[in-house]
Parts: sequence; structure tokens; C-alpha cells
Amino acid sequence: GNSVTQMEGPVTLSEEAFLTINCTYTATGYPSLFWYVQYPGEGLQLLLKATKADDKGSNKGFEATYRKETTSFHLEKGSVQVSDSAVYFCALSLANTGNQFYFGTGTSLTVIP
Amino acid sequence: EAQVTQNPRYLITVTGKKLTVTCSQNMNHEYMSWYRQDPGLGLRQIYYSMNVEVTDKGDVPEGYKVSRKEKRNFPLILESPSPNQTSLYFCASSLSGQGVETQYFGPGTRLLVL
Repeated sequence: GNSVTQMEGPVTLSEEAFLTINCTYTATGYPSLFWYVQYPGEGLQLLLKATKADDKGSNKGFEATYRKETTSFHLEKGSVQVSDSAVYFCALSLANTGNQFYFGTGTSLTVIP
Repeated sequence: EAQVTQNPRYLITVTGKKLTVTCSQNMNHEYMSWYRQDPGLGLRQIYYSMNVEVTDKGDVPEGYKVSRKEKRNFPLILESPSPNQTSLYFCASSLSGQGVETQYFGPGTRLLVL
């Protein structure tokens, strides 16, 4: 089947620390991959995406590279800020399933000054 | 302002009392979808719609109904709510439903079924 597995949280980091949130996927076809972010009390917002192997998505200092050989899409940021505190969701979409979306369980990040 | 709106934002009800959560988008999107978010389970897709009068089941459709009579609206109907439907619900939309597109999410509806 199709699924997304991401690292358990919560994650707590000091400001300016390096962030990695692991995400791996299982897909029956060739998926598009996404990272969404959810700030407290809000809906999800797209952070970045990649649609084919070796593509790198980037936004607001965050990056993730679509690795087909390891079926991974790990999220990284070199220097986190307090404002990055949120819940991060990895997701995949498969057009051949009528555009169903599959989300990971979410990873809560807290950045402390 | 381009947005997805949901109403109500918070709802407390009792088992068996029919309810409807409305969802509306002003972006002329063809694709709309409903998710529920539960601790430790992430977001799970309930139903989605590729266009007017076209709806399909997601991963967890049991106990829910939807309709898509107009392009902008996609209400979620719970005919006989049960406590296991207590959750945070999100509506989302995208332009045409292609896999590479961004989904835009509403602010969420928190439902408590007693």
C-alpha cells in the first residue's frame, strides 16, 4: 500500500541549531512529495514540494531532496528560529489513485531561545 | 483574499444528532477534500471530489457523507455522529487535483461528540 513514515516527536532544539526531520515513504506508483507545516491553531500550509527523483524543494531556509533509491524526503534547515516552532507533516500524492493524499503522523518542533 | 473557509470552527454535539460542516473555497478550484486529524495518526483523507457531482472515498469514509453540487462548496455530513468521530477536521482544495499541485487548507473544525 501507500504510506508515509516520519520521525517521532516532539523535537526540541535551541535557536540556530541544525534541524533534520526524517521522512520515508512507500508508494505503488511514482509519487509527488510534500512537506506541510501547521502553526498553532491554524490549518496546514505547503512548505515545499518535489515532483521527481533528485528534485530539491526549498523554502524559507528549509530543504528536502526526493531520493528514490532510499524512498526518502528528509526535511533540513541549517539554523532554526523560534518562529519555526510548529508541527511538520510529510505527505505524498499519487495521480494514479485519483489524487489521494497520504500524510505522515506529524513531527512537533519547539525551538527555544 | 484566496481562502478556504469552514464552519463552524468548534462544535459540541451528542451521539446520533445529524450535523453538517460546511466548506467553501473562492479560488475556483476543481478538487476538494476532507481530512481528519487525530493524535498519533496524522491526517487521514475521508472523501475527495475531483469536480462537481464527482466524489470518491478516501481512507476513512465510514460514517461520513459528502456532496458536491456546486464547485465552491463541499459539505461534510455526519448522519449519526458517534464519539469515535471526535476529531479535528480540515477541508482542502487545489486547482485540478493533479498530484503535483499545492493543496490549500481551511482553518479546521474541532468536533466533540458526547
